[in-house]
Amino acid sequence: EAQVTQNPRYLITVTGKKLTVTCSQNMNHEYMSWYRQDPGLGLRQIYYSMNVEVTDKGDVPEGYKVSRKEKRNFPLILESPSPNQTSLYFCASRTGVQPQHFGDGTRLSIL
Amino acid sequence: AQSVTQLGSHVSVSEGALVLLRCNYSSSVPPYLFWYVQYPNQGLQLLLKYTTGATLVKGINGFEAEFKKSETSFHLTKPSAHMSDAAEYFCAVSESGGYQKVTFGTGTKLQVIP
Repeated sequence: EAQVTQNPRYLITVTGKKLTVTCSQNMNHEYMSWYRQDPGLGLRQIYYSMNVEVTDKGDVPEGYKVSRKEKRNFPLILESPSPNQTSLYFCASRTGVQPQHFGDGTRLSIL
Repeated sequence: AQSVTQLGSHVSVSEGALVLLRCNYSSSVPPYLFWYVQYPNQGLQLLLKYTTGATLVKGINGFEAEFKKSETSFHLTKPSAHMSDAAEYFCAVSESGGYQKVTFGTGTKLQVIP
């Protein structure tokens, strides 16, 4: 089954404690993205990657890092999380101009 | 730069009534347009997409949308609402060609009243 898998689905943590949200896709897609979803703001792109070792900033990259060492994986790293990064996060992948496939989301609460 | 405006953050309809969710876009080149649906505690699922060709696009679950270039609109409709249609709906735009960025609207929550 074609899917984008995110882990964890839920996480409550404290300010400053580094965390990583993993994202993996099994469709051999070149393009992967991270979004955050906040009430009234829709989805905003954090980072994207057009292929292995190629990443670029989206609209709201501050406080986040990503890496793309393998085609299937695109982890999102919060080196020093802060409360304003409390949000619902989605990973997505696609190929060419096809629509994106989304993961089920990761709800992060940073206290 | 591209952008999407969804009019109405909340829309309520009676079961069996017409559903109309509005989306206007801005794009400097011919756009690709999408509607996604998000059910509670789930990711986004594609409802339908417009790339080129026929301007009336049919999607899943009885939804359709019409691309109107002159009005820069891509409104989503369904003739008869079902309780199961209650969800949040997102319109999105991408500039045509290649790995272009996708920009999402702020979403419209649809409530269906029995």
